[in-house]
Amino acid sequence: GQSLEQPSEVTAVEGAIVQINCTYQTSGFYGLSWYQQHDGGAPTFLSYNALDGLEETGRFSSFLSRSDSYGYLLLQELQMKDSASYFCALPTGNTPLVFGKGTRLSVIA
Amino acid sequence: DSGVTQTPKHLITATGQRVTLRCSPRSGDLSVYWYQQSLDQGLQFLIQYYNGEERAKGNILERFSAQQFPDLHSELNLSSLELGDSALYFCASSVAGSQSTDTQYFGPGTRLTVL
Repeated sequence: GQSLEQPSEVTAVEGAIVQINCTYQTSGFYGLSWYQQHDGGAPTFLSYNALDGLEETGRFSSFLSRSDSYGYLLLQELQMKDSASYFCALPTGNTPLVFGKGTRLSVIA
Repeated sequence: DSGVTQTPKHLITATGQRVTLRCSPRSGDLSVYWYQQSLDQGLQFLIQYYNGEERAKGNILERFSAQQFPDLHSELNLSSLELGDSALYFCASSVAGSQSTDTQYFGPGTRLTVL
């Protein structure tokens, strides 16, 4: 089967940088996705990594190391509006997306 | 706004009842996915339809069923409801049925409360 592990909570200061890690186990690898979800809102797509390395999109970057079965989401210049839950997710051969349990990011002043 | 619509936004019902949740995908998207999100289980994939046909099945209970209609909207039917079915139900859509590269766009969700 597939499984993902990510920290349940992270707290960071406004303006700082935070990294949210994700380790995964899967029998067939198609890539690693990241989604953001604000309280009461819908998950929204942030990034997708199929190959090793860093993908940058504005203040957000996502990294993948397939040999280590590991990825992370990097958020720079944190803003209060970045307070949300962040999910890593695995596209798989049997079910479209298997989600981690999510990391709740709290940005404090 | 993702372009995916879901109705109703909130639903309160009693145990043993049956409800229908509705989803309209983004214009041009052929795949519809249903997810259940509860506090202790996270986001769980239930079922996927692609162009009217069932494409993939996840942890969907036998009491639950879904279909996708010719106009591509989808309905999720939940019957013999139990307290544990209380959750947020999300619909998502994508252009095609590929699992490896498709970005999924999520609707605002239906919050189901079973009393």
